[in-house]
Amino acid sequence: GAGVSQSPSNKVTEKGKDVELRCDPISGHTALYWYRQSLGQGLEFLIYFQGNSAPDKSGLPSDRFSAERTGGSVSTLTIQRTQQEDSAVYLCASSRITGELFFGEGSRLTVL
Amino acid sequence: TQLLEQSPQFLSIQEGENLTVYCNSSSVFSSLQWYRQEPGEGPVLLVTVVTGGEVKKLKRLTFQFGDARKDSSLHITAAQTGDTGLYLCAGASKGTYKYIFGTGTRLKVLA
Repeated sequence: GAGVSQSPSNKVTEKGKDVELRCDPISGHTALYWYRQSLGQGLEFLIYFQGNSAPDKSGLPSDRFSAERTGGSVSTLTIQRTQQEDSAVYLCASSRITGELFFGEGSRLTVL
Repeated sequence: TQLLEQSPQFLSIQEGENLTVYCNSSSVFSSLQWYRQEPGEGPVLLVTVVTGGEVKKLKRLTFQFGDARKDSSLHITAAQTGDTGLYLCAGASKGTYKYIFGTGTRLKVLA
């Protein structure tokens, strides 16, 4: 596709379950970012990738959160043993090595 | 930890009024971007500024980067209802591609 694609768009899960969120970046974009947004507020940085490497994982809230990127393309953000405070919109963005971030529409996660 | 504080947090104005949104940090950024986000969508880039003191204009929007590259402002002249949205600033420090986003300013322009 032409833009960043995220799936699922909506996910409702029970506390304690694991969830996987997927991001398909724009073809040719080497950088990929994950952010979390709560209640329409600012974006909280989680992690970014250059190619398949993650130079900065400092934003991951706890060891329940992990992310990987394969083939310099698709990325998966995994949250284990979800908690209610994990409820948020998870946004993925991609970019060329510098410059404009192109965002997907996000994955809305609700933990009951 | 780098922080980008935006003010005001909320702004509701009448169509035709002018407004300014501020983005402040104690950190120096090599570049600073402004985005606008509408409900249910991801943020969309409005402008990138890279030089201290730089001023860029985009129709009725004027963006300024502080001389010390620690702060920025967005000024909207004669606001329109279509300007309604969440405005976000984002900065990257020299030598890194990690973009930190501000706390956001939610603007509502009333007809």
